[in-house]
Amino acid sequence: NAGVTQTPKFQVLKTGQSMTLQCAQDMNHEYMSWYRQDPGMGLRLIHYSVGAGITDQGEVPNGYNVSRSTTEDFPLRLLSAAPSQTSVYFCASSSNRGQMNTEAFFGQGTRLTVV
Amino acid sequence: DQQVKQNSPSLSVQEGRISILNCDYTNSMFDYFLWYKKYPAEGPTFLISISSIKDKNEDGRFTVFLNKSAKHLSLHIVPSQPGDSAVYFCAAMEYGNKLVFGAGTILRVKS
Repeated sequence: NAGVTQTPKFQVLKTGQSMTLQCAQDMNHEYMSWYRQDPGMGLRLIHYSVGAGITDQGEVPNGYNVSRSTTEDFPLRLLSAAPSQTSVYFCASSSNRGQMNTEAFFGQGTRLTVV
Repeated sequence: DQQVKQNSPSLSVQEGRISILNCDYTNSMFDYFLWYKKYPAEGPTFLISISSIKDKNEDGRFTVFLNKSAKHLSLHIVPSQPGDSAVYFCAAMEYGNKLVFGAGTILRVKS
């Protein structure tokens, strides 16, 4: 059981380039989300999805796009990379809370540097 | 404005003693809270959670306390071990299982 898998682990981009950060989960979780972690700021929500075909913006969505065509995958696209997008990116998935409490499972992260 | 605050950036504790990490929140609609532990170059891992219908939840060496009237929660680790040295994040879970994180507290357990 792999859990949440993110690729790549490291990436260096030039300003203006585009790229896609991949995220896949094998736990059949409905909920998936992307966060970025910057020094001294904890993790901030970029985009999230409550199920296949449904996505919405989080706290810091500008410059990023997402799509959720399958339950398993939730890619994050950087449209035109900027130095301000230098960060560590985490993908997470979780099951429906329903009658029980749940936890979010995180991937190992992608460290992105934009030069 | 930060809805979840961890006001202590770091904490240093002797091995075997108690570690107490604190967290405050401002949104009274939050009804479920989680603590995550994070080592460098790894993703956060879930530690313990608490629902607002409880004021305490225990799991082995870890206990989380919730004071709803004060909008305050704390994580107690007893006894602290060197392997507990990590960054600890407090988070509240909203609709859509979105997490609102505090800035984190670096715990260092000295042997």
